[in-house]
Amino acid sequence: AQRVTQPEKLLSVFKGAPVELKCNYSYSGSPELFWYVQYSRQRLQLLLRHISRESIKGFTADLNKGETSFHLKKPFAQEEDSAMYYCALSGTSYGKLTFGQGTILTVHP
Amino acid sequence: NAGVTQTPKFRILKIGQSMTLQCTQDMNHNYMYWYRQDPGMGLKLIYYSVGAGITDKGEVPNGYNVSRSTTEDFPLRLELAAPSQTSVYFCASSPPGQGASYGYTFGSGTRLTVV
Repeated sequence: AQRVTQPEKLLSVFKGAPVELKCNYSYSGSPELFWYVQYSRQRLQLLLRHISRESIKGFTADLNKGETSFHLKKPFAQEEDSAMYYCALSGTSYGKLTFGQGTILTVHP
Repeated sequence: NAGVTQTPKFRILKIGQSMTLQCTQDMNHNYMYWYRQDPGMGLKLIYYSVGAGITDKGEVPNGYNVSRSTTEDFPLRLELAAPSQTSVYFCASSPPGQGASYGYTFGSGTRLTVV
């Protein structure tokens, strides 16, 4: 069975501080991992994918297969980063995603 | 393009009532999904479809039914509503042949309360 764990339900930082949202997964094969974000009053949307190794809005995430982690990082948080963040894993067929419990990030001015 | 459209946005049901949550996409996506979002629980997959006429159960299908008569529409039916079905429901779609790799397009959600 595949599982995604986000250990922090709430995370608060001040503007300009580094932020790291943790994500650990359990899957026996080669996973595809994603971070989705939901800003206030907006739809859930894809933030980034591990296969593209991209930086979106200053966020990066590296897949660590040894530690089965896919933590999301940003060196300098901004107030507009405040949102709900979900880590998700696609390991089975048909594109089904398994989501973590979500982390609410609040960036204080 | 409208993307993924869900209706209604809000609904209050009484225990035992039935309703259909509508989901329509105009992107010619083969894959469509229904998730429910509960506080502290993340999103759980209810049902999914890989094309017209093909549906299958997800992680939490009990109390729900779906149909996929066209590529565009993927309605979710609640029969005999129960308080445990109080949740926010999201419909999503993904491009043909790509699965989740290029990301889902989500609808705006339906907030359902069963009283």
